[in-house]
Order: sequence, then structure tokens, then C-alpha cells
Amino acid sequence: DSGVTQTPKHLITATGQRVTLRCSPRSGDLSVYWYQQSLDQGLQFLIQYYNGEERAKGNILERFSAQQFPDLHSELNLSSLELGDSALYFCASSVGQGGIYEQYFGPGTRLTVT
Amino acid sequence: AQTVTQSQPEMSVQEAETVTLSCTYDTSESDYYLFWYKQPPSRQMILVIRQEAYKQQNATENRFSVNFQKAAKSFSLKISDSQLGDAAMYFCAYRSDMNRDDKIIFGKGTRLHILP
Repeated sequence: DSGVTQTPKHLITATGQRVTLRCSPRSGDLSVYWYQQSLDQGLQFLIQYYNGEERAKGNILERFSAQQFPDLHSELNLSSLELGDSALYFCASSVGQGGIYEQYFGPGTRLTVT
Repeated sequence: AQTVTQSQPEMSVQEAETVTLSCTYDTSESDYYLFWYKQPPSRQMILVIRQEAYKQQNATENRFSVNFQKAAKSFSLKISDSQLGDAAMYFCAYRSDMNRDDKIIFGKGTRLHILP
């Protein structure tokens, strides 16, 4: 158990819908990262937050957005869902910024779009 | 942009034997970290081993060791005395220590089968 929690574990929804994935980082961790794992694209970085502020963006679609709240939990919002958005979404957290700090991965949320 | 390449989509090894997973990467940076992650059927991402680019000594963690060749941009993982629990997807990964963002860049993975 990494100490990072993600809810829900599984999510099944229809095309065109909107969903919210939630992540609670390890106690004391200020950085949150979101990654997407799909058959087509593999594991890719989506977005990073540090202490409530967006710090880096990867290949995140405009239909996707995220935020980190004052209590440091984060939410990833996916809208106008398409079949290709079906994937495993990971959240990771670390104490600070920089490669010296290990990123701890949550168990992931499996999203299925039908 | 940095890239990570794993050229072996699948590998098999007999239990108790040794296996080496290959990884190459491309970067123009001098400061970075390299990792091997394990993803078992549970899908949890587990850090196996980590290598700082500034360290010449190869990292080891029990039965796991790496061969880090900085000039060749090669980073292979050796698993000794393979066990059934080692069966998983293994990802080679890169993380810059020079950029504002410290995202992890993953290879496509190598699926490792352990034969009893």
C-alpha cells in the first residue's frame, strides 16, 4: 500500500458523459501527478500540481481538466467522453518537486467508456 | 524531447534462472533519474530500482540490479534467481532533474513470464 488512495476503483459510463476521478495523496505530500495508461498510448503523463498550483502539463486533452484543493486532494475531470478515453488513470504523489523525491502511485481508477 | 525504448515486448525465463530486460533512452540532459517499475496483474505500479545519472555505480536491490551505461544511454535490469512472483509487466522510466516539471516518461513495457 503506497498510501495514495484513488476513488472509484472502477467506473463504467457512456460516451458523451462526464466523470470525476479523485485522488488523496500520502499524508504530507504536496505534489500530485496524473497519468493515463491505455493500450494505444501506454503510460503517459497528464498533469502535475504542487501545493494547489498547476506546475506542468503533458498530453492532456482539452476535454480533461484537473485541480488540487486546499486539503491537497486532487480531482481529474473528464468530459465529453469518447471510447478512446477508456484507460487506467493513475494518481501519484511526492513530498516535493524534483527528481530526488520519489513518486508514489495509487492503485488507479479503471475507466470504461461504452 | 526525452524518449524511452524497450525493444522486448515479452520475455520468458525459467524459475531460478537469471534474465535481463533491455532499455535505451534518449536525452540531451545531464542530470536525470532512471527507474524500473513493476506492474503485476493487480495493476499497482511498484518501484523496483532507481539510478541517479550522476552515480557511476550500478544500483542493486536484493535480486535486482541494473547495468547503467550513460554514454550508450542504456539501462538494463537483471533479475537473478527469478521467482514466480516476478511475473509482471516491467517499465523502464526516465525523470529529469533539470526541468521545472518532474514527470516520469515510461517505455512501452516488457511482459515477463516465469516458467515453473
